[in-house]
Amino acid sequence: GAGVSQTPSNKVTEKGKYVELRCDPISGHTALYWYRQSLGQGPEFLIYFQGTGAADDSGLPNDRFFAVRPEGSVSTLKIQRTERGDSAVYLCASSSNGGRGETQYFGPGTRLLVL
Amino acid sequence: AQTVTQSQPEMSVQEAETVTLSCTYDTSESDYYLFWYKQPPSRQMILVIRQEAYKQQNATENRFSVNFQKAAKSFSLKISDSQLGDAAMYFCAYRTLYSGAGSYQLTFGKGTKLSVIP
Repeated sequence: GAGVSQTPSNKVTEKGKYVELRCDPISGHTALYWYRQSLGQGPEFLIYFQGTGAADDSGLPNDRFFAVRPEGSVSTLKIQRTERGDSAVYLCASSSNGGRGETQYFGPGTRLLVL
Repeated sequence: AQTVTQSQPEMSVQEAETVTLSCTYDTSESDYYLFWYKQPPSRQMILVIRQEAYKQQNATENRFSVNFQKAAKSFSLKISDSQLGDAAMYFCAYRTLYSGAGSYQLTFGKGTKLSVIP
């Protein structure tokens, strides 16, 4: 596609529920990143995919968070047993092949609100 | 671990004037990349400018330029001829050149909210 897209744009859920957030990267980009942006903060890294594999998941806060990219394109971030502290904007980015100086192209994010 | 500090939570500038946004960072590495990203209310982060640490020449992109002071670990963004469309959050970010866990990420500061006054 022309840019990185994310769905849904907004998600409201109740504490304890399961949510899935989807990211569709730029076509042909092998590198995909998830970040979380809390109110008044800069984005914080969650996980990096190179192709289908999670090359670095050191930013995932706990085992309630999981992400997949089964075919090397679309990725889904999954959050189990959501907590109010999970409320944030979840940003996805992609880049050509993960090179250090590459531009990371960001999507518009999914705003998650846990009530 | 690297840290990025933006000490100006908010800044304002008159339209057509020049403004400078500050960024400092902490690292023990000698080679790295630095970035400025713009985030308008649409939430989509847009790359403004990039600087490679091993290049002494300051990067420029049209009305945007940086003042990169490697020894001082300072990376400020200058916006000339400010336009209404420049109003946004601006984030400074660092990326290491080295490998290992946590090395693929951009490390961001907390951002500076820029307002442009007509």
